[in-house]
Amino acid sequence: SAVISQKPSRDICQRGTSLTIQCQVDSQVTMMFWYRQQPGQSLTLIATANQGSEATYESGFVIDKFPISRPNLTFSTLTVSNMSPEDSSIYLCSVEGLADSYEQYFGPGTRLTVT
Amino acid sequence: SQQGEEDPQALSIQEGENATMNCSYKTSINNLQWYRQNSGRGLVHLILIRSNEREKHSGRLRVTLDTSKKSSSLLITASRAADTASYFCATVPHSGAGSYQLTFGKGTKLSVIP
Repeated sequence: SAVISQKPSRDICQRGTSLTIQCQVDSQVTMMFWYRQQPGQSLTLIATANQGSEATYESGFVIDKFPISRPNLTFSTLTVSNMSPEDSSIYLCSVEGLADSYEQYFGPGTRLTVT
Repeated sequence: SQQGEEDPQALSIQEGENATMNCSYKTSINNLQWYRQNSGRGLVHLILIRSNEREKHSGRLRVTLDTSKKSSSLLITASRAADTASYFCATVPHSGAGSYQLTFGKGTKLSVIP
């Protein structure tokens, strides 16, 4: 299974600022996913990031608010821009498992609080 | 949009008892998976059941799938305090674009009392 790390693990930010979250995987993967988990809620997919192409965003999420980079097969970043208290959530990245396994491996998450 | 709906939302049991959580979904699926999340941390994959399977076991876990009712259940037998966590079902669509994307249910928060 892949080992995934995220930085930062948590942060407290002021409204109007931006935060970039990093996701590092210990092996090369094609697909990486970014999720948001609002307090006490389930996970919602923000976007899918494939290396060498633009990220694909889910309904309700836009690139201007959540720009994503995927410079290589082991790394991705998610930026939460112009933050408001409603952006307070846990942000998780995940990667696909073994080929055709459909399961995903998750990072430990970044707990963001916006004041 | 949310695909799975788990019930109960919260479950509290004594150590040694069995815990059953249910999940319902709305559209045709390729497979359904169960994940565990401890204290707002990352998710851990527990088990996957394909649409052509009806039951699957892994250690103390037993998962059933009823595609006619679009529902699944997760049974944890002989629960332990360490099983305290939130449990989520997640579905993968049958085919087409996004066929590797997971759609998560709302989750069941399980508390196992020592």
